[in-house]
Amino acid sequence: AQSVTQPDIHITVSEGASLELRCNYSYGATPYLFWYVQSPGQGLQLLLKYFSGDTLVQGIKGFEAEFKRSQSSFNLRKPSVHWSDAAEYFCAVGAHLSGTYKYIFGTGTRLKVLA
Amino acid sequence: SAVISQKPSRDICQRGTSLTIQCQVDSQVTMMFWYRQQPGQSLTLIATANQGSEATYESGFVIDKFPISRPNLTFSTLTVSNMSPEDSSIYLCSVEGQGRSPLHFGNGTRLTVT
Repeated sequence: AQSVTQPDIHITVSEGASLELRCNYSYGATPYLFWYVQSPGQGLQLLLKYFSGDTLVQGIKGFEAEFKRSQSSFNLRKPSVHWSDAAEYFCAVGAHLSGTYKYIFGTGTRLKVLA
Repeated sequence: SAVISQKPSRDICQRGTSLTIQCQVDSQVTMMFWYRQQPGQSLTLIATANQGSEATYESGFVIDKFPISRPNLTFSTLTVSNMSPEDSSIYLCSVEGQGRSPLHFGNGTRLTVT
């Protein structure tokens, strides 16, 4: 079955440190890939997306993600984390499933940033 | 990207009652979806709100419990009917524009059922 896996439920980093959040997907073809961030009490904000082309995509707030077809991964990175980055991060896949186009979300990674 | 207004932002309701959540978009959009996010969980698609026809529900969700309206290309409502404490969740409206653009979300409705 198609799925999106975020293996890290919680991650804690110090402010200024680098960050990598992992995402793996299971799907026969290359889907559309997304990262969203959800701050407490808020909806989801799109950080970046991958449709095709360059496998390293840049997003808002200094985030980037790299699509690796061989690993079915789309990991999110940031070179230097700010305290305001503390939030929940969701990886998502857009793909054709059972004849319709759907979005599947991972279970999320909660990021805590230490001052 | 589309600006999505969702109302109410939160509510506390008694079991057995119903709540209607409104979603207004500032531009016409092709697809509108309703998601549920239970505490500490990821997003689960409830249904696709189809303009001018009945919504398409995902497995485990039924029209009697979650009736949806979509009278035009900018507005939709989701009703949570005959609520129980298990319905306590965040309900999110989302939209997709033309050509498989990413989903954009409203700020959600935080529902608590007592």
